Amino acid sequence: DTGVSQNPRHKITKRGQNVTFRCDPISEHNRLYWYRQTLGQGPEFLTYFQNEAQLEKSRLLSDRFSAERPKGSFSTLEIQRTEQGDSAMYLCASSLEAAQETQYFGPGTRLLVL
Amino acid sequence: AQKVTQAQTEISVVEKEDVTLDCVYETRDTTYYLFWYKQPPSGELVFLIRRNSFDEQNEISGRYSWNFQKSTSSFNFTITASQVVDSAVYFCALSEVGSSNTGKLIFGQGTTLQVKP
Repeated sequence: DTGVSQNPRHKITKRGQNVTFRCDPISEHNRLYWYRQTLGQGPEFLTYFQNEAQLEKSRLLSDRFSAERPKGSFSTLEIQRTEQGDSAMYLCASSLEAAQETQYFGPGTRLLVL
Repeated sequence: AQKVTQAQTEISVVEKEDVTLDCVYETRDTTYYLFWYKQPPSGELVFLIRRNSFDEQNEISGRYSWNFQKSTSSFNFTITASQVVDSAVYFCALSEVGSSNTGKLIFGQGTTLQVKP
């Protein structure tokens, strides 16, 4: 299967701990997006990369959040000092280079902060 | 400002009924794309269709059809002869290309479709 993959699928952590999620995009896709989805809501844009460059960050992405895509392939999203409000599904998507290209989503990482 | 509204929170139908999911969008761009995604209980968003703002032709794919009307800023999705496997949350999304090159998707709140046997 050559779709978008995300790890871990589930993460339970205690408030104040740091967590890191990984996303592996479809191999030929230059763009990689992170979204957050809370219960009963649609996904909300967090940030995106064109190759290794992070080109836009949402104001939802507080300074406790950092994302990287060091070699233009996989990406990591780290949340420092987690809070209960960070509990959500974190979705990764990838697409070909142009902005109008279809984004294909991974299965998501469900985070629960106790 | 861009916005997508899916006014129907939940819809319940009996198998074989036809069902239409509504989507209304707001944008100031003249160039934009509209999408529908399906999210089954497993959680993964599955792409269904993409439409650009210059193509108002309706589209049919099997039991699925989409009606795009720029005059009413709507992009509605109809499932004909619904099946239990169609039960999922369906999201409509907008991507503005004219003013922004991010391609980020603006999602509606989703419509939960339950198809009963």
